[in-house]
Amino acid sequence: QKEVEQDPGPLSVPEGAIVSLNCTYSNSAFQYFMWYRQYSRKGPELLMYTYSSGNKEDGRFTAQVDKSSKYISLFIRDSQPSDSATYLCAMSKGGSEKLVFGKGTKLTVNP
Amino acid sequence: EAGVVQSPRYKIIEKKQPVAFWCNPISGHNTLYWYRQNLGQGPELLIRYENEEAVDDSQLPKDRFSAERLKGVDSTLKIQPAELGDSAVYLCASSPGQGKNYGYTFGSGTRLTVV
Repeated sequence: QKEVEQDPGPLSVPEGAIVSLNCTYSNSAFQYFMWYRQYSRKGPELLMYTYSSGNKEDGRFTAQVDKSSKYISLFIRDSQPSDSATYLCAMSKGGSEKLVFGKGTKLTVNP
Repeated sequence: EAGVVQSPRYKIIEKKQPVAFWCNPISGHNTLYWYRQNLGQGPELLIRYENEEAVDDSQLPKDRFSAERLKGVDSTLKIQPAELGDSAVYLCASSPGQGKNYGYTFGSGTRLTVV
């Protein structure tokens, strides 16, 4: 079993839809949780960063962390065609330690 | 502010040939990482530097891979000799370090194709 599991999709939604992306993990030592967006032939770009449990909102994006269930989510409201990309969850034990990534979910938002 | 700069963007080499990738991190970032991303997968750490010191290289295939970060700034990752299975995107990232994990900043990567 991999430390971080993420459904690779692909996921296709119409413009304006609410998108829900999820990851589960097995290592209870993870303290920092991140979502990265990766466009084709580009490096991952940090979208959301959360320490420990709770919710964090930034514009149309909401990240949730439930450490008791070892489950994290990213919600995208009013999705736009420009949101079409691969979304990677990532987590670390802390400090500057390595990030452990999920496989990524490929999202397409259709106009 | 310039981001993490990597070169070259693309490289095609024949198997058994050597190849090198270069990374310039964000100014002032003490921690530098090299990740490898295979097609359809998330990035996986190869090596992490705190300033000049390699503090985590447990996943670096040391028989053919080497890395250095002279003067604690730029870094070079080398493969010699390359194998077909080394075809991947090699990503460099940097972070402020010193316990400040605000998420990394990644470069655009070097896409390596070994034929």
